[in-house]
Amino acid sequence: QVQLQQWGAGLLKPSETLSLTCAVYGGSFSGYFWSWIRQPPGKGLEWIGEINHSGSTNYNPSLESRVTISVDSSKNQFSLDLTSVTAADTAIYYCARGTGTIPGTFYYLDAWGKGTTVTVSS
Amino acid sequence: DIQMTQSPSSLSASVGDRVTITCRASQSINNFLNWYQQKPGKAPDLLIYAASTLQTGAPSRFSGSGSGTDFTLTISSLQPEDFATYYCQQSYGFPRTFGQGTKLEI
Repeated sequence: QVQLQQWGAGLLKPSETLSLTCAVYGGSFSGYFWSWIRQPPGKGLEWIGEINHSGSTNYNPSLESRVTISVDSSKNQFSLDLTSVTAADTAIYYCARGTGTIPGTFYYLDAWGKGTTVTVSS
Repeated sequence: DIQMTQSPSSLSASVGDRVTITCRASQSINNFLNWYQQKPGKAPDLLIYAASTLQTGAPSRFSGSGSGTDFTLTISSLQPEDFATYYCQQSYGFPRTFGQGTKLEI
């Protein structure tokens, strides 16, 4: 049973960089898209981006200029950096495992971390 | 971006009711459509992928259908634990967009 454990700073000031890490336990690290999704307070889900075990990334164009997702396959971990945060980046940030890396297979998010609440406030 | 629109945004129902939630894509996405359930304070949980395939462990009262632009999630007989928010997500193109959610209330 795969488990995702995430951590990072929960309170940031405007213009700072949000940094979160997610560790994967109990499953294969290769063959998946390792993903970040966020949810502003009281709102819906927004897909931020993803990375595979070899470092290939896909980002949401709305955030691409500020986002970096990286991977450390030796530790079965992946990370999110979001620069120049504002109050609009206040949200719960989830890491998740995405399937569908093999052409012709379906993509879906089948395992999630518990979420990290990030607040941006001066 | 492919826009995903769910209806209704909220829905009141009772235990035992049959409920249908709709998700419409702004362009054809074949059957690259997933459904998630989210309970308050929890991460989302995958219910259905590929429009109609029930995720392992998800109750059989949940079913999905549709292809192209129009999709539905049906709960055949509501149980108390089903009161939650439901999201669709397309995986046909990037970014992998979600619908705005449907809150199912008692």
